[in-house]
Amino acid sequence: NSKVIQTPRYLVKGQGQKAKMRCIPEKGHPVVFWYQQNKNNEFKFLINFQNQEVLQQIDMTEKRFSAECPSNSPCSLEIQSSEAGDSALYLCASSLSKGGEQYFGPGTRLTVL
Amino acid sequence: GDSVTQTEGPVTVSESESLIINCTYSATSIAYPNLFWYVRYPGEGLQLLLKVITAGQKGSSRGFEATYNKETTSFHLQKASVQESDSAVYYCALGLHVGDNSKLIWGLGTSLVVNP
Repeated sequence: NSKVIQTPRYLVKGQGQKAKMRCIPEKGHPVVFWYQQNKNNEFKFLINFQNQEVLQQIDMTEKRFSAECPSNSPCSLEIQSSEAGDSALYLCASSLSKGGEQYFGPGTRLTVL
Repeated sequence: GDSVTQTEGPVTVSESESLIINCTYSATSIAYPNLFWYVRYPGEGLQLLLKVITAGQKGSSRGFEATYNKETTSFHLQKASVQESDSAVYYCALGLHVGDNSKLIWGLGTSLVVNP
């Protein structure tokens, strides 16, 4: 079973508010991924890190999201100004290597009113 | 582009029946992607069910099998005899790894309902 921890499990925000979620990867996993799963079950890759460095991120993440994976602290993903379309399940995964198996946390379900 | 198409659910079968969930993929950015099946049981998070990283090989777990077929670009999930506890949503995923470009491309999931 995965040991990736995500908090909070549920998050409710108003439009324009900041929304921040956290992820603790499995111990020893240097690679962290964030995905968004919308109500249509579509997954969208958002960003990934190796240790503290961003490997790749999509345009949306670069513009409206703030993400980091500091040393000895949880990783975080923050939406700077929430929009209704951001309502989704946000999944964090960690891996031993960039191309390796990804282990997922339970997700943070964000609802933007 | 890179994409995954899988059987649209829900798929409903009776206990002890056989099951096949189709998965086909398109991989344009990498010749030999890794292929995965993930499962989400009710009330739980995504779990890796099985993976295959070599074309022509078969992966198996919990009675499920899937073979990486490069010719037909398929990775169908099969089980000879399902159980009620197999009721879940199954996701086929394509693993892309080229340098720092590393992510999973997902199908939309197939909801499986197994009736007792």
